[in-house]
Amino acid sequence: DGGITQSPKYLFRKEGQNVTLSCEQNLNHDAMYWYRQDPGQGLRLIYYSQIVNDFQKGDIAEGYSVSREKKESFPLTVTSAQKNPTAFYLCASSMVARGTGLGYTFGSGTRLTVV
Amino acid sequence: GEDVEQSLFLSVREGDSSVINCTYTDSSSTYLYWYKQEPGAGLQLLTYIFSNMDMKQDQRLTVLLNKKDKHLSLRIADTQTGDSAIYFCAERGRDDKIIFGKGTRLHILP
Repeated sequence: DGGITQSPKYLFRKEGQNVTLSCEQNLNHDAMYWYRQDPGQGLRLIYYSQIVNDFQKGDIAEGYSVSREKKESFPLTVTSAQKNPTAFYLCASSMVARGTGLGYTFGSGTRLTVV
Repeated sequence: GEDVEQSLFLSVREGDSSVINCTYTDSSSTYLYWYKQEPGAGLQLLTYIFSNMDMKQDQRLTVLLNKKDKHLSLRIADTQTGDSAIYFCAERGRDDKIIFGKGTRLHILP
């Protein structure tokens, strides 16, 4: 079955460390997205990519980096520059198809905690 | 700019109907969506409505769209404990990106 997989489900980071969150999809979707979710804040867009080897900053890109070397994969690195990284991170994907009702398909999330 | 607003909490007794409301600002929105998020999980698409429709029904779910007032609602009939979740309203805007509201936490009272 096609889907979008995030790993790990739980991740612990020490102060000053970089960590990378994995997101893989086998839906043949063109676009991929990273969101951060904090209680009461809803979803905030970190980065998105509509095509391989290209990506754009979202609303809260500072302290994060991404790459899109393959269509299936869109890893997110939380760098030491991100001062408050504890949150729930969600990856999503979609077809780039204007004028359709296709929504985003979400992964099951990674909960990152700074220790 | 584009914005989607919804109340943060709703409490409903089991067996009653739940109505979750949402307002949006982009009059050129093409599609509007309702997503459900259970604890510790990702978002799951519940239903969507095209902007030229005013109602869509799918089993216990009814979506009403008032395009003039830019108001969207989700009615869940016969609310069950399994409906306890966060419900996100979202719109597909003019640049084809989907903008999400902050989510409404639905709490079911016994």
